[in-house]
Amino acid sequence: AQSVTQLGSHVSVSEGALVLLRCNYSSSVPPYLFWYVQYPNQGLQLLLKYTSAATLVKGINGFEAEFKKSETSFHLTKPSAHMSDAAEYFCAVSDGRADQKLVFGQGTRLTINP
Amino acid sequence: ETGVTQSPTHLIKTRGQQVTLRCSSQSGHNTVSWYQQALGQGPQFIFQYYREEENGRGNFPPRFSGLQFPNYSSELNVNALELDDSALYLCASSFGDPREQYFGPGTRLTVT
Repeated sequence: AQSVTQLGSHVSVSEGALVLLRCNYSSSVPPYLFWYVQYPNQGLQLLLKYTSAATLVKGINGFEAEFKKSETSFHLTKPSAHMSDAAEYFCAVSDGRADQKLVFGQGTRLTINP
Repeated sequence: ETGVTQSPTHLIKTRGQQVTLRCSSQSGHNTVSWYQQALGQGPQFIFQYYREEENGRGNFPPRFSGLQFPNYSSELNVNALELDDSALYLCASSFGDPREQYFGPGTRLTVT
């Protein structure tokens, strides 16, 4: 069975500082991995995805993530935080099989301090 | 090209009642998945419909049921509502590719 663990339910950084949100996954097959962002009272927006091509994936809004198979990790980073990055971030895994379901982590709330 | 839309945006129901939530998939998409997101939690997979047939189900009781119509829009029905059914319900559409799922804005259900 697949699972996702997001380390840290809350992360707080200063504006301009590095953002690092951690995600570890478990999957019995090569996974597809995703990061989604959710702003208050909104749905999910895809930030980026890993689908077995390049291990360093660049997404929208300056975010990127690196797939590390040996560490079963897919951590999300952004070099310089902006106030508009404050939101809830979810890591998700899919095995790409018939039902295409996404298994989500519990989420990490990112707060940006001025 | 319109995105995924859901209706209603919010609704309040009483325990024991029934509710129907609606989702219009993105143009050209033939697959719809439904997720339940309880407050402070990540979304959980309820079920998926592909070309009007259920194509996978998560760990939800039978009182959660669904339909997909020929135009690929979908409904989620929940019978005998319980307080724990209070959540944001999200639908996602795709064209048979798990790497390309697009989410709607969700329906916030409150059960009192």
